[in-house]
Amino acid sequence: LAKTTQPISMDSYEGQEVNITCSHNNIATNDYITWYQQFPSQGPRFIIQGYKTKVTNEVASLFIPADRKSSTLSLPRVSLSDTAVYYCLVGGTLRFYFGSGTKLNVKP
Amino acid sequence: EAQVTQNPRYLITVTGKKLTVTCSQNMNHEYMSWYRQDPGLGLRQIYYSMNVEVTDKGDVPEGYKVSRKEKRNFPLILESPSPNQTSLYFCGSGLTDTQYFGPGTRLTVL
Repeated sequence: LAKTTQPISMDSYEGQEVNITCSHNNIATNDYITWYQQFPSQGPRFIIQGYKTKVTNEVASLFIPADRKSSTLSLPRVSLSDTAVYYCLVGGTLRFYFGSGTKLNVKP
Repeated sequence: EAQVTQNPRYLITVTGKKLTVTCSQNMNHEYMSWYRQDPGLGLRQIYYSMNVEVTDKGDVPEGYKVSRKEKRNFPLILESPSPNQTSLYFCGSGLTDTQYFGPGTRLTVL
């Protein structure tokens, strides 16, 4: 399983764009990159998934460079309700490694 | 509504007393899994199941058992719980972008 490394925490203010970077140096050729959001005492919730280049959905964008050894989750114009822990996962077949995640704190 | 249910939500027990945490999904998913979450360690996969009667170990399977006799149910069994199994447990159903998680079971083993 490819391990991931993320910043432990980040602070932001409402309305700002937030970028969270994840390092995954040992990513395998057939691995996908997936990001989840988790609120306290709740199960994780899927945000976005990608394999290479850029993926965008209604809540976030995911940027993946050509070497795929890192990825960046971009949250546009965060609000207080985006305060949560964000996990980067690499894999996507049967085994999943969540890592410690990044605790995002959005301030008013 | 797509749903993963876990029971119980909270459980306090004593060392050595067998317990089962149930997990049920209504999405007809073939893949289900169990995770434990401890402070500073994120979620770690305990066991997963690709289909009925097909299960395999995750990263931290020691001290746990699972069974998959029906597609919708995937119970987690602790035959002889120990204090180091005190944790928050999540059941997952589906794969990657369709992976839904249950509300969690907070287990305390005294």
